[in-house]
Amino acid sequence: QKEVEQNSGPLSVPEGAIASLNCTYSDRGSQSFFWYRQYSGKSPELIMFIYSNGDKEDGRFTAQLNKASQYVSLLIRDSQPSDSATYLCAVKARGGATNKLIFGTGTLLAVQP
Amino acid sequence: GAVVSQHPSRVICKSGTSVKIECRSLDFQATTMFWYRQFPKKSLMLMATSNEGSKATYEQGVEKDKFLINHASLTLSTLTVTSAHPEDSSFYICSAEAGGETQYFGPGTRLLVL
Repeated sequence: QKEVEQNSGPLSVPEGAIASLNCTYSDRGSQSFFWYRQYSGKSPELIMFIYSNGDKEDGRFTAQLNKASQYVSLLIRDSQPSDSATYLCAVKARGGATNKLIFGTGTLLAVQP
Repeated sequence: GAVVSQHPSRVICKSGTSVKIECRSLDFQATTMFWYRQFPKKSLMLMATSNEGSKATYEQGVEKDKFLINHASLTLSTLTVTSAHPEDSSFYICSAEAGGETQYFGPGTRLLVL
């Protein structure tokens, strides 16, 4: 079982719709969760992080965390064509001497005008 | 927000030469920096974790003698690809950890070895 799993997509949504991106993780003790966006040919950029169960909103983005079910999701409201990118879910590895992130393989989002 | 720069953004070199890539945190101090590699249409792959003033921690399968990492200050880490070969051609991305929690990525360095 992969440590962080995401559906590779592509997830296609029409402009203005809500895009829902999901991620599951295997380490029940994980505490920190991150969503990054990566445009083709570019490096990842941080969208949001979440530590506590529940929802966290930032503009058009809402991150949702459910530790009991071991899943994290990202909702993008009023999706725009400029949101088309690969969305990476990352979980901070627990324990050990490093603070490395474990990344999912990413979900490709395509917002259709 | 936290800004991380990388230099150069793109480099082309001949097989057998060495290439140095710099990663700088511009507006914060980073005790930990990370180096990733990404092949086209593939996931990010962590190569090593770089801690200021100490030896880097390499991921399994990454040759530490080929990918030399130096983290001499709280704002600068360097990755040197020694004796580069065409199979080392890739997108190299660094990140720096701010506040002990969040990683911010540099813009990446595209390496092409001929």
